[in-house]
Amino acid sequence: GAVVSQHPSWVICKSGTSVKIECRSLDFQATTMFWYRQFPKQSLMLMATSNEGSKATYEQGVEKDKFLINHASLTLSTLTVTSAHPEDSSFYICSASPFRGEGADTQYFGPGTRLTVL
Amino acid sequence: KQEVTQIPAALSVPEGENLVLNCSFTDSAIYNLQWFRQDPGKGLTSLLLIQSSQREQTSGRLNASLDKSSGRSTLYIAASQPGDSATYLCAALIQGAQKLVFGQGTRLTINP
Repeated sequence: GAVVSQHPSWVICKSGTSVKIECRSLDFQATTMFWYRQFPKQSLMLMATSNEGSKATYEQGVEKDKFLINHASLTLSTLTVTSAHPEDSSFYICSASPFRGEGADTQYFGPGTRLTVL
Repeated sequence: KQEVTQIPAALSVPEGENLVLNCSFTDSAIYNLQWFRQDPGKGLTSLLLIQSSQREQTSGRLNASLDKSSGRSTLYIAASQPGDSATYLCAALIQGAQKLVFGQGTRLTINP
């Protein structure tokens, strides 16, 4: 149980285009979802936290107009990278928790999406 | 601001050896600490989670310890196998927030 999927697993796009990444919880309801970014040989950096039905909370330094997060249902969150540039190329990983607040320590991670912007 | 550091950044050992991976954190106000495994180009697999009130957790050949007062955690791997080769990440859950702060990871290679 507790499976999180991401789609697509990899995507290549041209500079200036927008890319949408989906994160789904397959067998549980995800009250909270998290989006992370990981550059090569570096650690995961939290980008934003979203609770179902609410606006996402972005970490300092993350542009909310560039990285649009929608968590419209208890099983789906989407991250849209708008007007992508080569520096946005990275590995994007989502995680999901059936809980909110400090109970959200149980996070189940997706397999990640490799984004390459040409 | 919580900072999590892992040493060493990379480790290569022969098969069968016991080894220890280190993780340190600057703020002891953590809710818990987790160890993850990440294979190249893949997501994260949770290995062990230690609550702040606990001192250690064990799963098979893995044992993780937590010393909040000194801001340290260790992951002990017994009788290492080539299949253990991966990057190991530790992450601290900040008290009062839902945020996981990750270390940079230790890239482990077990040589047959």
